[in-house]
Parts: sequence; C-alpha cells; structure tokens
Amino acid sequence: GNSVTQMEGPVTLSEEAFLTINCTYTATGYPSLFWYVQYPGEGLQLLLKATKADDKGSNKGFEATYRKETTSFHLEKGSVQVSDSAVYFCALPGGGNKLTFGTGTQLKVEL
Amino acid sequence: DVKVTQSSRYLVKRTGEKVFLECVQDMDHENMFWYRQDPGLGLRLIYFSYDVKMKEKGDIPEGYSVSREKKERFSLILESASTNQTSMYLCASSPIGQSGVGNQPQHFGDGTRLSIL
Repeated sequence: GNSVTQMEGPVTLSEEAFLTINCTYTATGYPSLFWYVQYPGEGLQLLLKATKADDKGSNKGFEATYRKETTSFHLEKGSVQVSDSAVYFCALPGGGNKLTFGTGTQLKVEL
Repeated sequence: DVKVTQSSRYLVKRTGEKVFLECVQDMDHENMFWYRQDPGLGLRLIYFSYDVKMKEKGDIPEGYSVSREKKERFSLILESASTNQTSMYLCASSPIGQSGVGNQPQHFGDGTRLSIL
C-alpha cells in the first residue's frame, strides 16, 4: 500500500532561516499529497496540498512541489518565524477514504 | 467555519473503567476517524466510519470499539481502560472523495489527552 517517509526531527532553526522538511512517498498512481501542521496543544490543520504531478501547493509562505520523478513532496519556507514552531506531517491517501501520515517532524524556531 | 469538536481536552480515568470519547462534526461529512498520537509513532488509525452504523478497523483496533448512530457523531469506547491506552486521541472527518479515493483532506478536532492511572 501507499506509504510516506519524512525526515526525523527535531529541526531547530533561527528566525528568518530557510526551512526544508523532506518527504518521500511510495504510491500506486498519482494520488493527492498533503502537508499538515500541528501547533502545540492543538489538532492537525491542513497546511497545503497538491493534486497532481508538478503541482505546487502553497500557504502561509510554505510551499511544496509534487515531484513524481523523485517521488518527493518536500516542504519549504524561505524565512521561518517563531510562530512556525510546530510539528509537520506529510500525508497521502492510504486506501479507501483513509490517509496515511508520516511520523511527523518537529520544528523549533528560536530568536 | 468547519468544526470538529471533541468533548474533552483532558481526561483522567482509572484502570478497568469504561471510557467514552465523543466527537461531533458540523460539516455533514460521511467519513469520520479516530487516531491515537504517541511520541515517535505519529498518528495511528484506530477505527473509521464511512456512514451511519458502518465502521471498519484501522491499524490498532484492539481494546477499542466505536459507535456511529448519527452522521455527525462518532464515539470511541475503551471497554476496559489500561495504562497503555494513555495517549492523545484525535478525531477527524472528511467528505467522500471522487471514485472512493482518499483525495479529500481530513479536518481534525483539538484532541483529547487521556491519562489512565
């Protein structure tokens, strides 16, 4: 079945640094791909998604490009803020109407 | 705005108790899900439901059951709580995707942090 692997954390960055969180996937066909964010004490929120190859999803300064050649969907942001400190999850359909999630990458942004 | 509401943010129960976690969504979604979240393990699916009175086991159903009597409400039941069920529990919902493929994003509640003593 479909699966996703994302880089382990925690990732610690200084404010205004460039962020990359790696995500690679194994899938049948070309499913939609998602990034979710979980702020401290909250549930998961959809951050962005891409529905087909070469699509770029973007939101709140974050971007991720659906690359079928490398089966990747890396999350990037040009200049992180302290308020971006959270756990980030990569996800894709896991059969039926389910989603399969990565194990999450914790990001800490310091002043 | 769309909303998934879990009845409790924090809950403390004792070993052997029967525990009910409630989840309500106001988006008329067909699918509802229960996950548990543990450090280093990410999200693991316990049960999900794609229609009223319908349910399917997820990856870790042992020790849990669910109930979906109304479309908007999905309950998770710990039949006899044990300490290894101490965890964060997350409820989510989603609409049915085209062709039954899970291309629809899920909407999550804020979670219930459950401690079993």
